[in-house]
Amino acid sequence: QKEVEQNSGPLSVPEGAIASLNCTYSDRVSQSFFWYRQYSGKSPELIMSIYSNGDKEDGRFTAQLNKASQYVSLLIRDSQPSDSATYLCAVNREYGNKLVFGAGTILRVKS
Amino acid sequence: KAGVTQTPRYLIKTRGQQVTLSCSPISGHRSVSWYQQTPGQGLQFLFEYFSETQRNKGNFPGRFSGRQFSNSRSEMNVSTLELGDSALYLCASSRMTQGARETQYFGPGTRLLVL
Repeated sequence: QKEVEQNSGPLSVPEGAIASLNCTYSDRVSQSFFWYRQYSGKSPELIMSIYSNGDKEDGRFTAQLNKASQYVSLLIRDSQPSDSATYLCAVNREYGNKLVFGAGTILRVKS
Repeated sequence: KAGVTQTPRYLIKTRGQQVTLSCSPISGHRSVSWYQQTPGQGLQFLFEYFSETQRNKGNFPGRFSGRQFSNSRSEMNVSTLELGDSALYLCASSRMTQGARETQYFGPGTRLLVL
């Protein structure tokens, strides 16, 4: 079992729709959770971070964390073609910076 | 504020050679982590440096090494290059004031091609 799992996609949604990206992790001691967006040929860019159970909203993005189910999700409202990218879920288990990444979900927003 | 910078951006080497990559963190950031990204394995953690000391290490062979200088700049070295070392090498920095809740910011990466 991989430490962080994501559906590879591609996930295709029409412009204006809600895109839902999911991630599960195996290590219960994981403490912090991140969503990064990566455009082709570019480096990862932080979208959201979340540390406590529940929802966290930032503009069109909402991250949801459920530690009991070991599940993290990212919702993108009013999806735009510019949101088309690979979304990486990352988990930090311990003090310091040692992110474990999922394989990423390719999102395609069609206009 | 300037972001994380990495040099060089592109590099072509042949098998058996060694390579040194450089990373300058965001001003005020004290932790530098290195990651390798390949199509097959995705993003994998190499190591982290904080206060000139390696604090965390991933599952890579000893051919991969690094160091951090007193100004927080970091270098990583790969010796005896293999074809499988072809990858995008990413450096990320963080301020290191919030423990496991640190946010890491990535540089543009160095794309290494081993022939």
